[in-house]
Parts: sequence; C-alpha cells; structure tokens
Amino acid sequence: GDSVTQMEGPVTLSEEAFLTINCTYTATGYPSLFWYVQYPGEGLQLLLKATKADDKGSNKGFEATYRKETTSFHLEKGSVQVSDSAVYFCALSDRGAQKLVFGQGTRLTINP
Amino acid sequence: DGGITQSPKYLFRKEGQNVTLSCEQNLNHDAMYWYRQDPGQGLRLIYYSQIVNDFQKGDIAEGYSVSREKKESFPLTVTSAQKNPTAFYLCAVGEGGSNQPQHFGDGTRLSIL
Repeated sequence: GDSVTQMEGPVTLSEEAFLTINCTYTATGYPSLFWYVQYPGEGLQLLLKATKADDKGSNKGFEATYRKETTSFHLEKGSVQVSDSAVYFCALSDRGAQKLVFGQGTRLTINP
Repeated sequence: DGGITQSPKYLFRKEGQNVTLSCEQNLNHDAMYWYRQDPGQGLRLIYYSQIVNDFQKGDIAEGYSVSREKKESFPLTVTSAQKNPTAFYLCAVGEGGSNQPQHFGDGTRLSIL
C-alpha cells in the first residue's frame, strides 16, 4: 500500500540555520502531497501542499517541491526561528479513497 | 482549525467503560475522519465518513465505533473492547477531492484511570 517515510528526528538547529526535512513516498498513481505542522498539545495545521509533479508549495518561508522522479517532497526553510519548533508531518492523499497517509513525524527544536 | 470543535479536551476512562468523543464542524464539508496519535508516531486512521449515514473502517477500527447522523457531527465511541485506548485523538474534516487538504480539530487526550 501507499506509504510515507520521513527523516528520523529529533532535529535540533540554531536560529537562522537552514532547514531540510526529508520525505519520500511510495504510491500507485499520482498522489497529492502535504506538509502539516503540530505545535504542542494542538491538532495539525496545513503548512503547504502540491498536487502534481514539479509543483512547489510554499508558506511562511517554508517550501517543498513535488519530485516524481525521486518520489520525494522535502521540506526546506532558509532561516529558521525559535517559533518554528514543532513536529512536522509529511502526508500523501490516496486518490482512490481520499484518505491521508502520514509519515511518522519529525520533531524540530530551534535554539536561540 | 477554526470551525472544527472537539470535546472534551481531556477525558478519563475507567476499566470496562465506553466513552464518546465529540467532533462538530461548521465548515459544511462532507468528509470527516478520526485519527489516533501515539507518542512519536504518525497518525493512524480509525474511521472515516464521506457522506451522512455512511462510514468506513480505517486501518485500526477494532474497539471503536462511530455514527454520522448529521453532516455537522461525527462522534467516536471508544469501547471497552479497545484494550489500549490511551492516546491523542484527532478529528479532521475534508474539503472533498483527493487534492484537497484535511483540516484538524485541537484533539482529545484520552487516559485510563
């Protein structure tokens, strides 16, 4: 079945560092791809999405490009802030049943 | 997300007891979902409903039940058959269509007394 694999955390960076969180997927067909963020004690918030190959999703300085040839959707940000500390989830949408399949999440901590 | 209300925020269950988690939405979307989140893990789908009076099992439906009598409401019952119910439960609402995102409530944390 469909699956999503994220780089293992936790990831700890200093403020203003460059961030990459790797995400690769396995799917039949052409799924839509999403990044969600979860702050402590809260639900998930949509961060960005891409619906077809070579699409770039972006929001709040975060970017991710849908790479069909490498089945990847890596999350990047040029300069992280303490407020970016959270758990980040990569997910794909199963087109047939319209369900989301999630990666295991990557905990990010940014130190001042 | 605004427009999705989960209650209560914290819930405690005694052995042998059924408990019901509430999820209400005012976004007027057809699809609703329940996920379970355990520490350090991703979300796992329990049940989902794409239309009123219809729902399907997800990957871990055993020990859970749902109903969808109204478009706005999708309550989840954790039955006594669920032997390890301690988790964070998240309700989501879908805009419809596989390229549309799901929007999440703030969750209910269920613990065993």
